[in-house]
Amino acid sequence: DTGVSQDPRHKITKRGQNVTFRCDPISEHNRLYWYRQTLGQGPEFLTYFQNEAQLEKSRLLSDRFSAERPKGSFSTLEIQRTEQGDSAMYLCASSLSSGSWGNEQFFGPGTRLTVL
Amino acid sequence: DAKTTQPNSMESNEEEPVHLPCNHSTISGTDYIHWYRQLPSQGPEYVIHGLTSNVNNRMASLAIAEDRKSSTLILHRATLRDAAVYYCILRDVGRDDKIIFGKGTRLHILP
Repeated sequence: DTGVSQDPRHKITKRGQNVTFRCDPISEHNRLYWYRQTLGQGPEFLTYFQNEAQLEKSRLLSDRFSAERPKGSFSTLEIQRTEQGDSAMYLCASSLSSGSWGNEQFFGPGTRLTVL
Repeated sequence: DAKTTQPNSMESNEEEPVHLPCNHSTISGTDYIHWYRQLPSQGPEYVIHGLTSNVNNRMASLAIAEDRKSSTLILHRATLRDAAVYYCILRDVGRDDKIIFGKGTRLHILP
């Protein structure tokens, strides 16, 4: 399968614990995005990378959240001191940026986080 | 970013055409109209996009009003696998970054 993959698919944690999610984009894609989706809502943008550079972060990304893409390939999203409000689906997407109009983004299946 | 308005939900019978409307009265001249859909327990997937002219692909057709203030996604023959949330999104032609999703339209297909 050459699509976007995310690991784990499900994570249950206790409030206050740290969690880390991984995203592997489509191999030739230089852009990688993180979104968060709560029940009944559309995905909300969190942050995105072009290669290893983090180009934009949403106000939703509090200082407990950190994302990295160290070699411009896979990315990790870490949440420190999780809160119940962090419970959501975390989606990763990738695209091949040509610098012009909005190219199609390919989404992974998501990681569902439940904070008890 | 310009906003879109979609019905919360729609129903259609299997094997019949489905017309999913989207209003975007504040669209700018450089906004493309994109549609994504999200099947249950999956991430969103691209469906189609257009600027001014109607567009067809293997998944759907996109009909764009002459004034570009509304558009309609057409599924020519709905199947049960088309049950999903459909998002109508505007993306500026000069931007190539995040997607701003609304709540979309939840499409129910009746067997």
